[in-house]
Amino acid sequence: GAVVSQHPSWVICKSGTSVKIECRSLDFQATTMFWYRQFPKQSLMLMATSNEGSKATYEQGVEKDKFLINHASLTLSTLTVTSAHPEDSSFYICSASLPGGLVSTDTQYFGPGTRLTVL
Amino acid sequence: AQKITQTQPGMFVQEKEAVTLDCTYDTSDPSYGLFWYKQPSSGEMIFLIYQGSYDQQNATEGRYSLNFQKARKSANLVISASQLGDSAMYFCAMSPYSGAGSYQLTFGKGTKLSVIP
Repeated sequence: GAVVSQHPSWVICKSGTSVKIECRSLDFQATTMFWYRQFPKQSLMLMATSNEGSKATYEQGVEKDKFLINHASLTLSTLTVTSAHPEDSSFYICSASLPGGLVSTDTQYFGPGTRLTVL
Repeated sequence: AQKITQTQPGMFVQEKEAVTLDCTYDTSDPSYGLFWYKQPSSGEMIFLIYQGSYDQQNATEGRYSLNFQKARKSANLVISASQLGDSAMYFCAMSPYSGAGSYQLTFGKGTKLSVIP
């Protein structure tokens, strides 16, 4: 259980184009999903928190107009990198929160990640 | 603000031996959650173990145990009977609350574990 998928697993695009990344919780419903970015040999940096049916909450320094997040259902969140540039090349990972019940915090289960290369 | 410190960039362990990965944290939150994730070279983040700050007992999950010392603000991961498949990056993370709900995670820089045959 607690499987999260991401699509695509890797993408190469030209500078100026937009790229959409999908994150799906396959066997559970996730009210909250998170989007992270990871540069080579570095830790994960939270980009935004996505709640189903409401606007995403972005971390300081993350451009909301560049990284569009939509959480249209309890099993799907999408991240669209608009007008991508080479500096946007990175590993993007989503997570979906599995409810922990009445007394325990939710556990985040991660997707396999999407490697974006912008030429 | 929360901060996670992992002071070991890399660790080596002999197969079948136990290994401890260090994690210290700093927070002003009265309750919090502590997590360990494993990231193999494939990139996926695999959840290993969770400890709530008010939990009385240290968490255990199979070969993984979390040595939680609240006064020292440490949450070390102990892997017993290491296997070759344990070679990976290991990240310690914390959430700002340990009660019901979904909270953002703050990650440490990670420790690369290499298991030697």
